[in-house]
Amino acid sequence: AQTVTQSQPEMSVQEAETVTLSCTYDTSESNYYLFWYKQPPSRQMILVIRQEAYKQQNATENRFSVNFQKAAKSFSLKISDSQLGDTAMYFCAFTGNQFYFGTGTSLTVIP
Amino acid sequence: DVKVTQSSRYLVKRTGEKVFLECVQDMDHENMFWYRQDPGLGLRLIYFSYDVKMKEKGDIPEGYSVSREKKERFSLILESASTNQTSMYLCASSLEEGHFSYEQYFGPGTRLTVT
Repeated sequence: AQTVTQSQPEMSVQEAETVTLSCTYDTSESNYYLFWYKQPPSRQMILVIRQEAYKQQNATENRFSVNFQKAAKSFSLKISDSQLGDTAMYFCAFTGNQFYFGTGTSLTVIP
Repeated sequence: DVKVTQSSRYLVKRTGEKVFLECVQDMDHENMFWYRQDPGLGLRLIYFSYDVKMKEKGDIPEGYSVSREKKERFSLILESASTNQTSMYLCASSLEEGHFSYEQYFGPGTRLTVT
């Protein structure tokens, strides 16, 4: 079975600091994709960052970067220079034959 | 920009009622999805469709059915609503039939309460 695990239900970070959200997954597939999605309070879910498993280079999007460790099946999200607008629920997702989401991490950025 | 819309933001229905949730996307995407989102459980896939009139069961299809008569529209049907179907329902769409490497675009969600 393919699963996605986010072990941190809630996290908080001071504005301008850096925070890392953890995600692990389990699969027997060799080619797949990993995503981080952001769901702000009462707003639509949007894509933060995407990683292709066959690429060794970690994806980066402005203040957001990932640490992809394929052998360890780990895919963490680092948010640098945290801003109040980063307050949201963050979901890690895995694409194999279907699309699997983790249970989410609620991140609060404290002024 | 891709736009995914859902027919209602909030819906209150009674136990036993037949409920229709509608989703429309405007970017000619092949794939469309229905999820339910519950606290502590994340998003769970109910059904997805990779083409008109095609559908595949997800992880929790029991108590639900779907319809996709047109490419842009994907409907979720609760044949006889029950209280355990009270949840947030999210619709999403993505490119390319049968492939899931592309990002999914989500609608705003429908919060359904069954009393």
